[in-house]
Amino acid sequence: QVQLQESGPGLVKPSQTLSLTCAVSGGSISSGGYSWSWIRQPPGKGLEWIGFVYYSGSTYYSPSLKSRATISIDTSKNQFSLNLSSVTAADTAVYYCARMDTGYANMFDYWGQGTLVTVSS
Amino acid sequence: DIQMTQSPSTLSASVGDRVTITCRASQSLSNWLAWYQQKPGKAPKLLIYKASSLQSGVPSRFSGRGSGTEFTLTISSLQPDDFAAYYCQHYNSQSLMHAFGQGTKLEIK
Repeated sequence: QVQLQESGPGLVKPSQTLSLTCAVSGGSISSGGYSWSWIRQPPGKGLEWIGFVYYSGSTYYSPSLKSRATISIDTSKNQFSLNLSSVTAADTAVYYCARMDTGYANMFDYWGQGTLVTVSS
Repeated sequence: DIQMTQSPSTLSASVGDRVTITCRASQSLSNWLAWYQQKPGKAPKLLIYKASSLQSGVPSRFSGRGSGTEFTLTISSLQPDDFAAYYCQHYNSQSLMHAFGQGTKLEIK
Protein backbone atom coordinates (compact mmCIF):
# COMPACT_ATOMS: atom_id res chain seq x y z
CA GLN A 1 0.00 0.00 0.00
CA VAL A 2 1.49 3.29 -1.12
CA GLN A 3 1.56 6.01 1.53
CA LEU A 4 2.50 9.66 1.22
CA GLN A 5 3.43 11.89 4.13
CA GLU A 6 3.94 15.64 3.98
CA SER A 7 6.33 17.42 6.33
CA GLY A 8 7.57 20.95 6.84
CA PRO A 9 7.06 24.12 8.86
CA GLY A 10 3.52 24.98 9.78
CA LEU A 11 4.24 28.71 9.97
CA VAL A 12 6.07 30.81 7.38
CA LYS A 13 6.63 34.56 7.42
CA PRO A 14 5.46 36.74 4.54
CA SER A 15 7.98 37.13 1.71
CA GLN A 16 9.83 33.99 2.78
CA THR A 17 9.95 30.61 1.04
CA LEU A 18 7.60 27.79 1.95
CA SER A 19 9.33 24.40 1.83
CA LEU A 20 7.58 21.04 2.10
CA THR A 21 8.64 17.45 1.55
CA CYS A 22 6.54 14.42 0.68
CA ALA A 23 7.94 11.05 1.72
CA VAL A 24 6.66 8.10 -0.26
CA SER A 25 6.54 4.60 1.22
CA GLY A 26 5.20 1.28 -0.02
CA GLY A 27 6.45 1.87 -3.52
CA SER A 28 9.31 3.39 -5.47
CA ILE A 29 9.03 6.99 -6.59
CA SER A 30 11.17 5.95 -9.56
CA SER A 31 8.49 3.62 -10.92
CA GLY A 32 7.31 4.58 -14.36
CA GLY A 33 3.68 5.37 -14.99
CA TYR A 34 3.27 7.95 -12.24
CA SER A 35 3.73 11.62 -11.62
CA TRP A 36 3.97 13.28 -8.21
CA SER A 37 1.90 16.39 -7.52
CA TRP A 38 1.40 19.13 -5.02
CA ILE A 39 -2.16 20.38 -4.49
CA ARG A 40 -3.35 22.97 -2.00
CA GLN A 41 -6.63 24.00 -0.39
CA PRO A 42 -7.09 27.37 1.35
CA PRO A 43 -9.28 27.18 4.44
CA GLY A 44 -12.92 26.70 3.44
CA LYS A 45 -12.13 26.73 -0.28
CA GLY A 46 -11.56 24.30 -3.12
CA LEU A 47 -8.59 22.37 -4.44
CA GLU A 48 -5.83 24.03 -6.48
CA TRP A 49 -3.24 22.04 -8.39
CA ILE A 50 0.27 23.50 -8.02
CA GLY A 51 2.43 21.27 -10.20
CA PHE A 52 3.98 17.86 -10.64
CA VAL A 53 7.30 16.12 -11.17
CA TYR A 54 8.16 12.92 -12.98
CA TYR A 55 10.83 10.54 -11.67
CA SER A 56 13.07 11.88 -14.45
CA GLY A 57 12.95 15.31 -12.80
CA SER A 58 10.76 16.93 -15.47
CA THR A 59 8.32 19.37 -13.95
CA TYR A 60 5.07 21.09 -14.92
CA TYR A 61 3.32 23.91 -13.07
CA SER A 62 0.05 25.74 -12.89
CA PRO A 63 0.45 29.00 -14.84
CA SER A 64 -0.74 30.97 -11.81
CA LEU A 65 2.10 29.65 -9.60
CA LYS A 66 4.80 28.89 -12.15
CA SER A 67 6.88 31.94 -11.31
CA ARG A 68 7.09 31.06 -7.60
CA ALA A 69 6.90 27.25 -7.38
CA THR A 70 9.71 24.74 -7.68
CA ILE A 71 9.16 21.00 -7.37
CA SER A 72 12.06 18.60 -7.15
CA ILE A 73 12.50 14.88 -6.67
CA ASP A 74 15.05 12.86 -4.71
CA THR A 75 14.86 9.26 -5.84
CA SER A 76 17.55 8.17 -3.37
CA LYS A 77 15.30 9.25 -0.49
CA ASN A 78 12.04 8.30 -2.23
CA GLN A 79 10.63 11.78 -1.73
CA PHE A 80 9.75 14.95 -3.57
CA SER A 81 9.59 18.54 -2.45
CA LEU A 82 7.88 21.88 -3.01
CA ASN A 83 9.40 25.32 -2.63
CA LEU A 84 7.07 28.31 -2.96
CA SER A 85 8.82 31.65 -2.84
CA SER A 86 7.65 35.12 -1.82
CA VAL A 87 4.66 33.85 0.10
CA THR A 88 1.77 36.01 1.25
CA ALA A 89 -1.28 35.38 3.41
CA ALA A 90 -3.04 34.12 0.27
CA ASP A 91 -0.71 31.11 0.31
CA THR A 92 -2.13 29.95 3.64
CA ALA A 93 -3.59 26.53 2.90
CA VAL A 94 -3.53 22.83 3.55
CA TYR A 95 -0.91 21.42 1.20
CA TYR A 96 -1.35 17.90 -0.12
CA CYS A 97 1.03 15.68 -2.04
CA ALA A 98 -0.52 13.10 -4.34
CA ARG A 99 0.37 10.44 -6.86
CA MET A 100 -1.17 10.52 -10.31
CA ASP A 101 -1.46 7.33 -12.33
CA THR A 102 -0.30 8.48 -15.74
CA GLY A 103 -0.15 5.03 -17.21
CA TYR A 104 -3.83 4.22 -17.04
CA ALA A 105 -6.36 6.88 -16.17
CA ASN A 106 -4.62 10.08 -15.10
CA MET A 107 -6.24 10.22 -11.70
CA PHE A 108 -4.90 11.01 -8.24
CA ASP A 109 -5.09 7.60 -6.59
CA TYR A 110 -3.02 8.21 -3.45
CA TRP A 111 -2.88 11.34 -1.29
CA GLY A 112 -1.01 12.44 1.79
CA GLN A 113 -3.07 13.51 4.78
CA GLY A 114 -2.21 17.16 4.18
CA THR A 115 -0.30 19.73 6.19
CA LEU A 116 -1.54 23.19 7.13
CA VAL A 117 0.83 26.02 6.34
CA THR A 118 0.00 29.44 7.73
CA VAL A 119 1.68 32.54 6.36
CA SER A 120 1.86 35.14 9.10
CA SER A 121 4.39 37.41 10.76
CA ASP B 1 -6.75 26.68 -19.84
CA ILE B 2 -9.83 24.49 -19.48
CA GLN B 3 -12.20 25.69 -16.76
CA MET B 4 -14.32 23.22 -14.81
CA THR B 5 -17.63 24.43 -13.36
CA GLN B 6 -19.59 22.33 -10.92
CA SER B 7 -23.24 22.69 -10.06
CA PRO B 8 -24.80 23.08 -7.69
CA SER B 9 -22.32 24.58 -5.24
CA THR B 10 -24.41 23.31 -2.35
CA LEU B 11 -26.96 20.50 -2.37
CA SER B 12 -29.31 19.66 0.48
CA ALA B 13 -30.71 16.15 0.47
CA SER B 14 -31.99 13.39 2.72
CA VAL B 15 -30.85 9.85 3.38
CA GLY B 16 -32.21 7.65 0.61
CA ASP B 17 -32.39 10.42 -1.98
CA ARG B 18 -30.91 10.13 -5.44
CA VAL B 19 -28.64 13.08 -6.20
CA THR B 20 -26.68 14.23 -9.22
CA ILE B 21 -23.77 16.65 -9.39
CA THR B 22 -22.77 18.16 -12.71
CA CYS B 23 -19.33 19.19 -13.94
CA ARG B 24 -19.14 21.28 -17.11
CA ALA B 25 -15.94 22.01 -19.00
CA SER B 26 -15.18 25.15 -20.98
CA GLN B 27 -14.21 23.00 -23.94
CA SER B 28 -14.65 19.41 -25.00
CA LEU B 29 -12.62 16.97 -22.91
CA SER B 30 -11.06 13.61 -23.40
CA ASN B 31 -12.47 11.24 -20.80
CA TRP B 32 -9.72 11.98 -18.26
CA LEU B 33 -12.35 13.09 -15.76
CA ALA B 34 -12.30 11.98 -12.14
CA TRP B 35 -14.51 12.56 -9.11
CA TYR B 36 -13.35 12.83 -5.50
CA GLN B 37 -15.10 12.87 -2.15
CA GLN B 38 -13.67 14.98 0.67
CA LYS B 39 -14.73 14.95 4.29
CA PRO B 40 -13.76 17.72 6.73
CA GLY B 41 -10.11 17.54 7.76
CA LYS B 42 -9.37 14.69 5.37
CA ALA B 43 -7.65 14.30 2.03
CA PRO B 44 -9.83 13.79 -1.04
CA LYS B 45 -10.72 10.21 -1.90
CA LEU B 46 -10.95 8.96 -5.48
CA LEU B 47 -14.43 7.72 -6.40
CA ILE B 48 -14.64 7.64 -10.21
CA TYR B 49 -11.98 7.79 -12.94
CA LYS B 50 -12.14 7.91 -16.72
CA ALA B 51 -15.55 9.54 -16.30
CA SER B 52 -17.41 6.32 -15.46
CA SER B 53 -15.07 3.74 -13.90
CA LEU B 54 -15.65 2.99 -10.24
CA GLN B 55 -12.54 2.97 -8.09
CA SER B 56 -11.94 -0.27 -6.22
CA GLY B 57 -13.69 -0.36 -2.87
CA VAL B 58 -16.13 2.45 -3.68
CA PRO B 59 -19.80 1.50 -3.17
CA SER B 60 -21.80 0.84 -6.31
CA ARG B 61 -24.34 3.54 -5.42
CA PHE B 62 -21.79 5.97 -6.88
CA SER B 63 -21.75 6.26 -10.66
CA GLY B 64 -20.34 8.62 -13.23
CA ARG B 65 -21.17 9.37 -16.81
CA GLY B 66 -20.73 11.96 -19.47
CA SER B 67 -18.63 13.03 -22.40
CA GLY B 68 -17.62 16.15 -24.26
CA THR B 69 -18.27 19.10 -21.96
CA GLU B 70 -20.76 17.66 -19.47
CA PHE B 71 -20.15 15.01 -16.83
CA THR B 72 -22.22 13.85 -13.89
CA LEU B 73 -21.74 12.07 -10.59
CA THR B 74 -24.82 10.31 -9.26
CA ILE B 75 -25.38 8.79 -5.84
CA SER B 76 -28.34 6.46 -6.21
CA SER B 77 -29.43 6.29 -2.56
CA LEU B 78 -27.73 8.63 -0.14
CA GLN B 79 -26.23 7.13 2.98
CA PRO B 80 -25.22 9.09 6.10
CA ASP B 81 -21.54 8.62 5.21
CA ASP B 82 -22.03 10.37 1.84
CA PHE B 83 -22.51 13.88 3.21
CA ALA B 84 -19.28 15.53 2.16
CA ALA B 85 -17.77 17.75 -0.52
CA TYR B 86 -17.31 16.45 -4.06
CA TYR B 87 -14.85 17.65 -6.70
CA CYS B 88 -14.40 16.87 -10.35
CA GLN B 89 -10.92 16.93 -11.85
CA HIS B 90 -9.61 16.89 -15.41
CA TYR B 91 -6.14 16.24 -16.72
CA ASN B 92 -5.34 17.86 -20.03
CA SER B 93 -2.85 15.53 -21.69
CA GLN B 94 -1.99 18.18 -24.28
CA SER B 95 -1.03 20.99 -21.93
CA LEU B 96 -0.13 18.66 -19.03
CA MET B 97 -2.31 20.71 -16.71
CA HIS B 98 -4.80 19.69 -14.08
CA ALA B 99 -8.02 21.51 -13.27
CA PHE B 100 -10.46 20.99 -10.42
CA GLY B 101 -14.07 22.05 -10.24
CA GLN B 102 -14.88 24.45 -7.43
CA GLY B 103 -16.63 21.73 -5.44
CA THR B 104 -20.14 20.76 -4.36
CA LYS B 105 -21.04 20.53 -0.69
CA LEU B 106 -23.64 17.85 -0.05
CA GLU B 107 -25.56 18.65 3.13
CA ILE B 108 -28.18 16.87 5.15
CA LYS B 109 -31.64 18.38 4.65
